[in-house]
Amino acid sequence: RKEVEQDPGPFNVPEGATVAFNCTYSNSASQSFFWYRQDCRKEPKLLMSVYSSGNEDGRFTAQLNRASQYISLLIRDSKLSDSATYLCAVIGVDYKLSFGAGTTVTVRA
Amino acid sequence: DAMVIQNPRYQVTQFGKPVTLSCSQTLNHNVMYWYQQKSSQAPKLLFHYYDKDFNNEADTPDNFQSRRPNTSFCFLDIRSPGLGDAAMYLCATSFDPTSGSTDTQYFGPGTRLTVL
Repeated sequence: RKEVEQDPGPFNVPEGATVAFNCTYSNSASQSFFWYRQDCRKEPKLLMSVYSSGNEDGRFTAQLNRASQYISLLIRDSKLSDSATYLCAVIGVDYKLSFGAGTTVTVRA
Repeated sequence: DAMVIQNPRYQVTQFGKPVTLSCSQTLNHNVMYWYQQKSSQAPKLLFHYYDKDFNNEADTPDNFQSRRPNTSFCFLDIRSPGLGDAAMYLCATSFDPTSGSTDTQYFGPGTRLTVL
């Protein structure tokens, strides 16, 4: 079983729609959680850290569910510029960052 | 601006011809990482340095080596590139996550390696 798993998508949504997707992790002792955004042929860029209480940054909301071992990302009022691959990343007890393979989101006009 | 810089951005090499990729950082982070990312796959950690302490992943091929001459620079050497080594190579940095500091990793723009 992979340490971090994501639905690869793609999620095709119209502008203005809300899109949400999850990421599951296998190690219950994992310590830190992140969402990165990666554009085609570019490096991952930190979108947001995910805290136990959940956190929001503008149109983006991240939640952590430790009991069920998943994190989620919700994008409200989708923009064309939100089209990207969203990588979930988890730091385990070995302090190493494990990535999911990414969820592709395409926002259409 | 403080950042992670990788050179070159694109590298073309021939099968079996050694290649070196470089990474530098102005963030003063003491941990540096090298990842390999193939198309539609997750970045895969190859190795990392805590200061000068080198940590190799168990499944990283011997073909891949690394050097960190100082805090700011780190190099990835591929001794005999094969066709399967064509990928994006990402350098990342962070503070020491064991120290209680933030464990967020920041990535350079990557070097895209093509093997002919």
